[in-house]
Amino acid sequence: DAGITQSPRHKVTETGTPVTLRCHQTENHRYMYWYRQDPGHGLRLIHYSYGVKDTDKGEVSDGYSVSRSKTEDFLLTLESATSSQTSVYFCAISESGRRAVGGEQYFGPGTRLTVT
Amino acid sequence: QQQVKQSPQSLIVQKGGIPIINCAYENTAFDYFPWYQQFPGKGPALLIAIRPDVSEKKEGRFTISFNKSAKQFSLHIMDSQPGDSATYFCAAKETSGSRLTFGEGTQLTVNP
Repeated sequence: DAGITQSPRHKVTETGTPVTLRCHQTENHRYMYWYRQDPGHGLRLIHYSYGVKDTDKGEVSDGYSVSRSKTEDFLLTLESATSSQTSVYFCAISESGRRAVGGEQYFGPGTRLTVT
Repeated sequence: QQQVKQSPQSLIVQKGGIPIINCAYENTAFDYFPWYQQFPGKGPALLIAIRPDVSEKKEGRFTISFNKSAKQFSLHIMDSQPGDSATYFCAAKETSGSRLTFGEGTQLTVNP
């Protein structure tokens, strides 16, 4: 998984609680991404980061926030978890987001989140 | 708005068959088209990718065919094996951008 770890790998939480997922990389890549995967929707981008403290929204960012204080760590926070946020969350990294060569994205193993 | 449409949703073939997965896109600014393979419980893994300046790219048993005028591209798996059973995603990206847009995925089953 290209030097990418995600924690926790599984989590069950209750509606209304805050949840933070962590992505850690050892590749020193500049770009990091958070996706969610749901049946029939493929992978949808939540937020991404193009450097330390530099982040931008994806197509499904409502209810999520991110932070990146170090190159190697990208945190995804569900401010108040809802059942619609039950999903599998994947982190991805790329060396350079704006080029095909070097812009390839590599994915972590995923976190399965269940909101009851 | 789904910018990359993938079909079929699921596909079953016999060992040795040639499954074909198709994708169509709308954004003419897309110029990088990767395919990802995902096994259950794992993250997607980059399989093969193509730029629109070529019509075909082969890597081992995997081939991408690209039709720029039709805005379509497809993945062919030659001599498919049970170990190829997985979910396959097509994707597209603008070189000037940093986001991948994914298709909905195709669950492939190769029977022995």
